[in-house]
Amino acid sequence: KNEVEQSPQNLTAQEGEFITINCSYSVGISALHWLQQHPGGGIVSLFMLSSGKKKHGRLIATINIQEKHSSLHITASHPRDSAVYICAVRSTGNQFYFGTGTSLTVIP
Amino acid sequence: DTAVSQTPKYLVTQMGNDKSIKCEQNLGHDTMYWYKQDSKKFLKIMFSYNNKELIINETVPNRFSPKSPDKAHLNLHINSLELGDSAVYFCASSFLAGGYYNEQFFGPGTRLTVL
Repeated sequence: KNEVEQSPQNLTAQEGEFITINCSYSVGISALHWLQQHPGGGIVSLFMLSSGKKKHGRLIATINIQEKHSSLHITASHPRDSAVYICAVRSTGNQFYFGTGTSLTVIP
Repeated sequence: DTAVSQTPKYLVTQMGNDKSIKCEQNLGHDTMYWYKQDSKKFLKIMFSYNNKELIINETVPNRFSPKSPDKAHLNLHINSLELGDSAVYFCASSFLAGGYYNEQFFGPGTRLTVL
């Protein structure tokens, strides 16, 4: 069993829809990361969280440490949001664990 | 200016060869990482250096050897390449402050194909 589980694995949405991607983890963490991998392969760090909530433009990330759960929300989705979103955690033991990614396709 | 750069972008080589991938960051970060992304797109950390000191060394064949000549560079040398080494290798960097590692910046990746 993977230490980091993401859902859904694949997601197709219409432009403008509100999107939620979930991440659950089983280890104690010092930080959780949301990464975006574009179709061209490049990886961008979207958020790094250790508590609460962060917002960048249309993207919002939340984390509940007690429940070991994080969500990534995209408001007013756009075709350019189409990418793979990866949840990763850095454990308190300084180990890295990655989810298998959520492939998002936003249709115009 | 590119923040984290890797060379080469593509590397095609024969089984048994030795090759190196170079990584450089101009962000002033003190921590650098190597990741492997396999054909199923699963990312896995391989190594991490902080101030040229190895701090993460995952279960990786000892054919893989990282070398950090200074804080801005972390190179990956691979001996006796095998078919299973074919993957995309990403370098990343971050800053350690107050005992916490900040967000990572990734290089563009190096696609290694072993024939």
